[in-house]
Amino acid sequence: SFELTQPPSVSVSPGQTARITCSGDAMPKKYGYWYQQKPGQAPVLVIYQDTERPSGIPARFSGSRSGTAVTLTISGVQAEDEADYYCQSADSSGTYYVFGTGTKVTVL
Amino acid sequence: EVQLVQSGAEVKKPGESLKISCEGSGFDFTSYWIGWVRQMPGRGLEWMGIIYPGDSDIRYSPSFQGQVTISADKSISTAYLQWSSLKASDTAMYYCARRYEDGYLLWGQGTLVTVSS
Repeated sequence: SFELTQPPSVSVSPGQTARITCSGDAMPKKYGYWYQQKPGQAPVLVIYQDTERPSGIPARFSGSRSGTAVTLTISGVQAEDEADYYCQSADSSGTYYVFGTGTKVTVL
Repeated sequence: EVQLVQSGAEVKKPGESLKISCEGSGFDFTSYWIGWVRQMPGRGLEWMGIIYPGDSDIRYSPSFQGQVTISADKSISTAYLQWSSLKASDTAMYYCARRYEDGYLLWGQGTLVTVSS
């Protein structure tokens, strides 16, 4: 199995930029995905294949990759972006999937 | 409408069996992988396994292999997650989700399973 590591928490003021990095051994071979989860709700996919945004996701959400890490960037953070964020990827053989440890984003 | 609708909350005793469901509508259920995700109270997301209803190909996370059984009935567009003997540690929210590329775009609303004596 493999693991994906994220910082436990990130705090940011409204209008500023939040960045969450996710790293793991399988990252060089497989794409990264990002989910937003608000309390009492199911997760929502906000970034797929490292950099792509699903329909309906605001443009302030973006993704990038550098080597063995992928990063979710939220530009111009709004109060409604306060949530838990999880990265996710597949193992190198594409047989199974893993979620990251999760990051709580707090908007000050 | 394209959606996944899960069965309702369950309260069970340790040792009891349980089968929860996830019904798809608005799309060809046999053409998508359906995964299951656990979220224990106050904890993160854990990928449990995935099934392709078209041919019942199933893959389990090593962490859940032997602990749960994933199945599907393509005739009624429904996937299942079942336990033969529940433990208190199975208390969690369980989500089904439809795979998109190697991620999950469409999610069910979740089924809360509570196991308590």
